[in-house]
Amino acid sequence: GNSVTQMEGPVTLSEEAFLTINCTYTATGYPSLFWYVQYPGEGLQLLLKATKADDKGSNKGFEATYRKETTSFHLEKGSVQVSDSAVYFCARVQGAQKLVFGQGTRLTINP
Amino acid sequence: DAGVTQSPTHLIKTRGQQVTLRCSPISGHKSVSWYQQVLGQGPQFIFQYYEKEERGRGNFPDRFSARQFPNYSSELNVNALLLGDSALYLCASLKQSPYNEQFFGPGTRLTVL
Repeated sequence: GNSVTQMEGPVTLSEEAFLTINCTYTATGYPSLFWYVQYPGEGLQLLLKATKADDKGSNKGFEATYRKETTSFHLEKGSVQVSDSAVYFCARVQGAQKLVFGQGTRLTINP
Repeated sequence: DAGVTQSPTHLIKTRGQQVTLRCSPISGHKSVSWYQQVLGQGPQFIFQYYEKEERGRGNFPDRFSARQFPNYSSELNVNALLLGDSALYLCASLKQSPYNEQFFGPGTRLTVL
């Protein structure tokens, strides 16, 4: 099928800790992959993207590499901040019409 | 540039009522998509419109309908509301070059009592 599976949350870390949120996908071919972030009470913001295998998307200290061998797109950040507390969604494109999202991972960073 | 705008921000309805949600895409974007996000879950695709034509529909009942206007704004209508329709409804504006990057609005929070 066509789906996205994310690491279950919630995830709680201390400030300056290393972050990894796992994401794997199933698909035929190599769809574009995305990470979106949702802050409390807001809509989704695109955090980063990768449009082909082996691409690395990066933004605001976050990185994710499109791994076709493991069908993964794990999100990483070397040193998280309190302001990174949010819900993170991994997503893939299906056809030309829609995004398929994972269930989301709630991240809380404590000072 | 203004981002995607949605109205209203919040809405409370009772079962059986009808609701209309509105979305204005980013200037120059001709395509919009609608998503439903139930609390604690990822968004689910409802519709996509391009140049006033429906280009895709997700697995939602016929109670859900939408349209796009000549100025590319869009409305989502839901009839005969059920408690399970309570959700955040997100509109996305699509930039179609070089690929279908989607920019989301803040959403409309619908509560059905």
